[in-house]
Amino acid sequence: GEDVEQSLFLSVREGDSSVINCTYTDSSSTYLYWYKQEPGAGLQLLTYIFSNMDMKQDQRLTVLLNKKDKHLSLRIADTQTGDSAIYFCAEGSGAGSYQLTFGKGTKLSVIP
Amino acid sequence: DSGVTQTPKHLITATGQRVTLRCSPRSGDLSVYWYQQSLDQGLQFLIQYYNGEERAKGNILERFSAQQFPDLHSELNLSSLELGDSALYFCASSVDFAGELFFGEGSRLTVL
Repeated sequence: GEDVEQSLFLSVREGDSSVINCTYTDSSSTYLYWYKQEPGAGLQLLTYIFSNMDMKQDQRLTVLLNKKDKHLSLRIADTQTGDSAIYFCAEGSGAGSYQLTFGKGTKLSVIP
Repeated sequence: DSGVTQTPKHLITATGQRVTLRCSPRSGDLSVYWYQQSLDQGLQFLIQYYNGEERAKGNILERFSAQQFPDLHSELNLSSLELGDSALYFCASSVDFAGELFFGEGSRLTVL
């Protein structure tokens, strides 16, 4: 079945770059997403990438997709304390539904 | 604020009981999704409704049911509750099948 894996924890110093990695198994995935969840809040879409792209940049965020290895990464440049949150990788087929498969989330801790 | 409203925010009940969780989607959004977030399973897709009709079904137990009303709000009914049903239940909405998925802040259910 479909599966999305990501490491559970990441700790970085303020000002450094953070790289959160994710692997997925469904080769028919059309879209891959990164969501952010702050304490007590719902999930917020950060960015997404189509499976026919290999990179997408949006301000401090860079998404890299290696479709051959089914590997997705999110790089946050100049990480700030406000970036501390849980980051979820998700994949979907986009076939008329957001029936997304989520990873278990990576908790990013930013050390001042 | 995503524009998706969920009530109640917290609910404590006993095993065997039945509860109803309510979701009001963003104004204009026709699609409503329910997700369950638990520590061991992560985020699991339960069910999707589009304009009042069931569109997609995920890992939803038979004890659970949902519906979307003509005013587009949705309710998730959980019955014969078990300890393992304790989780955070998220509702999300989207305009249709494309674009961003907006999440509510969730309803935290505790079954004692």
